[in-house]
Amino acid sequence: GQNIDQPTEMTATEGAIVQINCTYQTSGFNGLFWYQQHAGEAPTFLSYNVLDGLEEKGRFSSFLSRSKGYSYLLLKELQMKDSASYLCAVSAYSGYSTLTFGKGTMLLVSP
Amino acid sequence: GAVVSQHPSRVICKSGTSVKIECRSLDFQATTMFWYRQFPKKSLMLMATSNEGSKATYEQGVEKDKFLINHASLTLSTLTVTSAHPEDSSFYICSAREGPDSSYNEQFFGPGTRLTVL
Repeated sequence: GQNIDQPTEMTATEGAIVQINCTYQTSGFNGLFWYQQHAGEAPTFLSYNVLDGLEEKGRFSSFLSRSKGYSYLLLKELQMKDSASYLCAVSAYSGYSTLTFGKGTMLLVSP
Repeated sequence: GAVVSQHPSRVICKSGTSVKIECRSLDFQATTMFWYRQFPKKSLMLMATSNEGSKATYEQGVEKDKFLINHASLTLSTLTVTSAHPEDSSFYICSAREGPDSSYNEQFFGPGTRLTVL
C-alpha cells in the first residue's frame, strides 16, 4: 500500500511564501503530482515531479527527493485566491498506474 | 485541451433509488477513466479504474454490485449508484487519462457530482 502524509492546515499572509511538505512511502513510484482544489470543485493540476530536484512554474515550485520519499510545494507572492486545499498525489505502477492522494493541506491566506 | 465533463453536477434522490453519473472526455480519447469519492474535508479516494471495453477494476472495500461502471466508448464512462442510501451521499469525481498506461500518469479531472441521498 501507500502512505502519504501532509499537514492538515496552514496559514499565511498575502505576499508571503509558504512551503507545503509531503512525505510518502510507496512501491513502484513513477511520479508525484500536486493539485489545487477549491471547495466543491475538482482538483486542478499544478505540478509533476518524477526526477529529483526543483521544478519551477511561475509562482509555484515543486521539489522531489525520491530517496527521502519527500516533496514540497512552494508558493510565492501569496494571493487571497491561493486559499485552497493542496493535494499531494503519488503515482505508482503495479501492473497499471494509480494515483493515491494525500488528505490535502488546507491553506488559508489572510490579508 | 484535455477537458473532462460530468453530468449532472448535482443530484438529490430518495433512498433506494439509482443514480447514473456520466463522465465525458470532450477533446481527447480516454482509454482509462477513474472514479473517485470525496467526503467533506477528506481526500479523494479511488473507487475504481475503468478501461474502455473491459470490466472495471475496483479498489478494496468498494462494492462492484452497488457501484456499476460502464466504459463503453473512448469518451464516455458512467457510474451508477444502485439502491442509494444516505451514507452514499458524497462528492463523486471522475478523471481521464489520455493514451495508454505509461510512466506519466496525469489525470484530467471532471468538475464533480454532488450526490445527496435523502
